[in-house]
Amino acid sequence: KQEVTQIPAALSVPEGENLVLNCSFTDSAIYNLQWFRQDPGKGLTSLLLIQSSQREQTSGRLNASLDKSSGRSTLYIAASQPGDSATYLCALRRPLDSNYQLIWGAGTKLIIKP
Amino acid sequence: ETGVTQSPTHLIKTRGQQVTLRCSSQSGHNTVSWYQQALGQGPQFIFQYYREEENGRGNFPPRFSGLQFPNYSSELNVNALELDDSALYLCASSLMEISGANVLTFGAGSRLTVL
Repeated sequence: KQEVTQIPAALSVPEGENLVLNCSFTDSAIYNLQWFRQDPGKGLTSLLLIQSSQREQTSGRLNASLDKSSGRSTLYIAASQPGDSATYLCALRRPLDSNYQLIWGAGTKLIIKP
Repeated sequence: ETGVTQSPTHLIKTRGQQVTLRCSSQSGHNTVSWYQQALGQGPQFIFQYYREEENGRGNFPPRFSGLQFPNYSSELNVNALELDDSALYLCASSLMEISGANVLTFGAGSRLTVL
């Protein structure tokens, strides 16, 4: 059974720091992996999607990496800003999963202090 | 282009009652999926609808049911509510692709409290 874990559950850092959020999974057979941001009252926003054949994706100050062999993905945030405060979740899709479902971690709540 | 809208945003029910949650898909999307997110946890997949047919379901009992309409909007119905049904219910729409790489657009959710 595929399980997704995100550690730490919460993280508080001063503005301007570079930081890394972690996502680990137990089964390396994945189709793709996504990182989402969740803001209270605003739902989930997709940040980056990494296909199984890719090693990383970048968007602005965000960089996501994928290492299937070790069952890990990281989300790197450069020069953090107070507006980056949110809960960050990773979710993966299994190959040939007839349910089409995403399997989610519980998220890391990030607070950027001004 | 409008996003995904869900209604109601908040509601309170008592055990044993029934609830209907609604979702309007993003323009151009033909697939809707529903997720349940308990406090402090990641979302759990309930089911997915494509062209008005359920084509995927998670580990939820039959009292969780849904509909998708010709305009691709959708409803989630929950019968015989239990306390553990208290959660944020998220709807996501997408354009089904054969590759399965469809990107989901989420609504803000409906917060259900069961007393």
